Amino acid sequence: DQQVKQNSPSLSVQEGRISILNCDYTNSMFDYFLWYKKYPAEGPTFLISISSIKDKNEDGRFTVFLNKSAKHLSLHIVPSQPGDSAVYFCAAITPGKLQFGAGTQVVVTP
Amino acid sequence: GAGVSQSPSNKVTEKGKDVELRCDPISGHTALYWYRQSLGQGLEFLIYFQGNSAPDKSGLPSDRFSAERTGGSVSTLTIQRTQQEDSAVYLCASSLVFPGGAQDIQYFGAGTRLSVL
Repeated sequence: DQQVKQNSPSLSVQEGRISILNCDYTNSMFDYFLWYKKYPAEGPTFLISISSIKDKNEDGRFTVFLNKSAKHLSLHIVPSQPGDSAVYFCAAITPGKLQFGAGTQVVVTP
Repeated sequence: GAGVSQSPSNKVTEKGKDVELRCDPISGHTALYWYRQSLGQGLEFLIYFQGNSAPDKSGLPSDRFSAERTGGSVSTLTIQRTQQEDSAVYLCASSLVFPGGAQDIQYFGAGTRLSVL
């Protein structure tokens, strides 16, 4: 049962533009959400998180938005840079484990 | 080093053989997790260790999979009688556990790429 879903397997965006990655979840008991970034041959690295008591968290070029009523979160990257090309995973915390989405491959083109 | 260390980085084995994958978590992290990522798939939770508590094995796909964590630190994931569908990248992560578990950020190793021929 896939409780965290990333429906876009890939996203191509021009350098300098905004990247918007989407994530939907089904379990209303999730109370903390994270985004991880993964380069080839490396483990995922933590990028940004948001608690369910907030609707927005910003860290530099990265902003995560949470819409609890819609069970939807998104990651905005502004402006996109070539080094942002990676796979981005959305994850939700339940006690003892992260539930991961399938990931979105982002390619930032010059 | 300061990060999560996994060994070997690559493992090629024949179908039916047993394999052991090792994980050294970040020092001081009480929680340790194993995941796997099959080709084109997301990360699949396998098992979770927290302190001296009984591990959460709910993600293990079959009884051919087992894991141990010795002394609350190093962990070994063992796959017996490997099958071709076991081919994947096996990732280990560790974390501090805060009261309430609200900010349980996991730090990942680079993974072990297992290929079963």
